[in-house]
Amino acid sequence: DGGITQSPKYLFRKEGQNVTLSCEQNLNHDAMYWYRQDPGQGLRLIYYSQIVNDFQKGDIAEGYSVSREKKESFPLTVTSAQKNPTAFYLCASKIPSSNQPQHFGDGTRLSIL
Amino acid sequence: GDSVTQMEGPVTLSEEAFLTINCTYTATGYPSLFWYVQYPGEGLQLLLKATKADDKGSNKGFEATYRKETTSFHLEKGSVQVSDSAVYFCALGDSGGSNYKLTFGKGTLLTVNP
Repeated sequence: DGGITQSPKYLFRKEGQNVTLSCEQNLNHDAMYWYRQDPGQGLRLIYYSQIVNDFQKGDIAEGYSVSREKKESFPLTVTSAQKNPTAFYLCASKIPSSNQPQHFGDGTRLSIL
Repeated sequence: GDSVTQMEGPVTLSEEAFLTINCTYTATGYPSLFWYVQYPGEGLQLLLKATKADDKGSNKGFEATYRKETTSFHLEKGSVQVSDSAVYFCALGDSGGSNYKLTFGKGTLLTVNP
């Protein structure tokens, strides 16, 4: 079955460390997204990519970085510059057609030790 | 800019009660509108969508109608079940027309008691 796989489901980080969250999709979607979810705040867009080798900052990109070397993969690195990284991170993808929805993975919960 | 305002929760109902979760939006142009549902510990699943004014989206007994005159997309269900307990998000496709980016409301937690 086609879908989006995020790994790991739970991730712990020590202060000052960078960590990378994986997102892989086999839906053949061109566009991919990373969101951060905090209690009571809904979803906020971190980065998105409309095509391979191209990506744009979302609303809260500071302290994060991404790459898009392959169509099916869009890893997110949470750097030590992100001062409050504890959150639930969601990856999504979409086909270019304007009326089609975004499809989401099951998320990664990141916690600081 | 685009924005979505949805009813703050939590909402607690008894099984078989009627559900309404209000959602209003601010946007220019003709965005698509979506309702997503999130079960505990999971990602978001698309519940229903509407792409133009007066469209009604429906799925699993849930309905929402795209009302351009009131800029609303309220979610309704006639008889909720315990299994409907989840967080519900209203979302707006970017009004430039590409719908590449979504703007989400803050979510409404629904708890249905037996």
